Amino acid sequence: RKEVEQDPGPFNVPEGATVAFNCTYSNSASQSFFWYRQDCRKEPKLLMSVYSSGNEDGRFTAQLNRASQYISLLIRDSKLSDSATYLCVVISNTGGFKTIFGAGTRLFVKA
Amino acid sequence: DVKVTQSSRYLVKRTGEKVFLECVQDMDHENMFWYRQDPGLGLRLIYFSYDVKMKEKGDIPEGYSVSREKKERFSLILESASTNQTSMYLCASSFLNSEQYFGPGTRLTVT
Repeated sequence: RKEVEQDPGPFNVPEGATVAFNCTYSNSASQSFFWYRQDCRKEPKLLMSVYSSGNEDGRFTAQLNRASQYISLLIRDSKLSDSATYLCVVISNTGGFKTIFGAGTRLFVKA
Repeated sequence: DVKVTQSSRYLVKRTGEKVFLECVQDMDHENMFWYRQDPGLGLRLIYFSYDVKMKEKGDIPEGYSVSREKKERFSLILESASTNQTSMYLCASSFLNSEQYFGPGTRLTVT
């Protein structure tokens, strides 16, 4: 089993739709969680951190479920410019600091 | 604003050449990382460093070495480039246990 798993997609949604991605992780001692966005042929860029209580940034909502060991990203009112690959990132510090990137979920938003 | 810069955006080298990729960050981050990214394989960690002159192997260190003589600079060296090292190389930096910030990447082609 991979340490961090994401559905690779692609997710094809119309403009204005709500779309949600999940990411599961295997290490129950993981302590920090993030979502990144990567555009085609560009570097990954931090989208948002994920806090235990859940957090929102405009149209984006991130949540953490420690009991089931997953994080989620919800995008409301999708825009064409949201088309990208979304990577989840998990940091653990058991037996050494370790950052694991998921393989990413591709999103296409169509007019 | 965090800035991570890489010495080249595009590089073409011949098989057997020694290749240097340089990365500089301006945020006084302790940690620096080198990844490669290939279609369908996601980000793979080559080496990382948590302090000057310190280095740790990542998941795919074979054929690579690194150097960190100053806190802000982390170099990746391909001792003898091979065609299977054609890839996108991404440098990143972070504070301990925090989110990583990426440079724009170097697209290396080995012919």
